[in-house]
Formats: sequence, C-alpha cells, structure tokens
Amino acid sequence: GQQLNQSPQSMFIQEGEDVSMNCTSSSIFNTWLWYKQDPGEGPVLLIALYKAGELTSNGRLTAQFGITRKDSFLNISASIPSDVGIYFCAGQLRKAQGAQKLVFGQGTRLTINP
Amino acid sequence: GAVVSQHPSRVICKSGTSVKIECRSLDFQATTMFWYRQFPKQSLMLMATSNEGSKATYEQGVEKDKFLINHASLTLSTLTVTSAHPEDSSFYICSARVVQWVNEQFFGPGTRLTVL
Repeated sequence: GQQLNQSPQSMFIQEGEDVSMNCTSSSIFNTWLWYKQDPGEGPVLLIALYKAGELTSNGRLTAQFGITRKDSFLNISASIPSDVGIYFCAGQLRKAQGAQKLVFGQGTRLTINP
Repeated sequence: GAVVSQHPSRVICKSGTSVKIECRSLDFQATTMFWYRQFPKQSLMLMATSNEGSKATYEQGVEKDKFLINHASLTLSTLTVTSAHPEDSSFYICSARVVQWVNEQFFGPGTRLTVL
C-alpha cells in the first residue's frame, strides 16, 4: 500500500529556533495535510494544501505542496513551548485510488528546551 | 465549527467483553466517518471507512466481525470492539469529513481502550 516517509522522526531544539520537517512518497497525492497531535488527543489540522507548488502559511507555520505531488514540507519559525507535540503529514488519495482516504506519515516528535 | 466528539474518552474492560465507542459530528453533517487505531508512539492506521446508511469498508487485515461499525445518521457513527482482548488495547480515533469541504477530515479527541 501507499506509504509516507516522514523525517526527522524526532527533534530536540531550543526555544526560538526554526523547525523543518518533510514527507515524501512514491505515490501521487491530490491533497497534503499537516496535523499536530498532543498526548492523549486527536490530531488537529494545521495546514491543508490542494495544488502542486502551493505555499501556504498559518501564523508561524509554512507548508508547501511539492511540484511532483509526491512531497511536502512544514516549517515552524521561532518555536515556542506550546509547539511541543507530534506532527503528522497526511496525503489524501485521489478518488479513484480509494474513497479519498488519508495516508499518514510516521510523525515527527518535537521537543523544545526552554 | 467542524467539531467532532467521542465517547467515552477512556474505557477499561475485562477480556471477552464488548465495548462501544461513539463518534459524533456536533455542528455539521458528515456523510463519511473514518475510524483509526493508534498504538503508542506510532502513527494513525485507518481501520475502516463508514458511510451513512451503508456498510463500512474495512482495510485489509481488519476483522469486520470483531470491529462492528454502524453509521446510522449523518452525525453519529459507532465502533463496537467485540470480545475484546488485551491486544485490542489502543487509542481509537474517529474523523469526519465535512460534506461541503470534501478534502478535509476533522478528528475526534480519541478513546483510550484498555483491556485487562
């Protein structure tokens, strides 16, 4: 089945630093989504990307949909303590590939030292 | 808007019993709901896709007779774990797709199931 390779798996940074994570796939997706999950909670949507090449910002977060439709990155600028959590990328399959299901990356666990 | 709730948030049960988890879309109608399972320090794995008024579509390797899904209305889907065993202990998360925004899924807060 389809798989997303998300990296890095974990990050340990100082408060105020910028963060970058990415996802790659062997499959083409028509939508890329980035979620954040806090412990014991469900994922919360951060950014949704719908067009190849699209660059979208949400506050200190910026994400891009790769031109090949097989990759995406998420950047967080000037990290703060509440950014701690697990970040997941998710690709949405085209309808013909199966009911527009989401395929998730393995997650990037972000830890911030104050 | 687009709030999804789950009940219960935590459940502990004895091996062999059945557990029902509810997923509700609170302020919108969801023609499709999805059920995921997440083991500790792992990603979300799709178990099944639930469409209102029809049978759920299960992912490969997920036993439909063990994980019963009912999507009786546009705002409610239920997952019943039948004859639960310790290996079924996991974090179960549902999501709902908004009819108008077909490309986005909104997730519930999850249900922690512990089978003793």
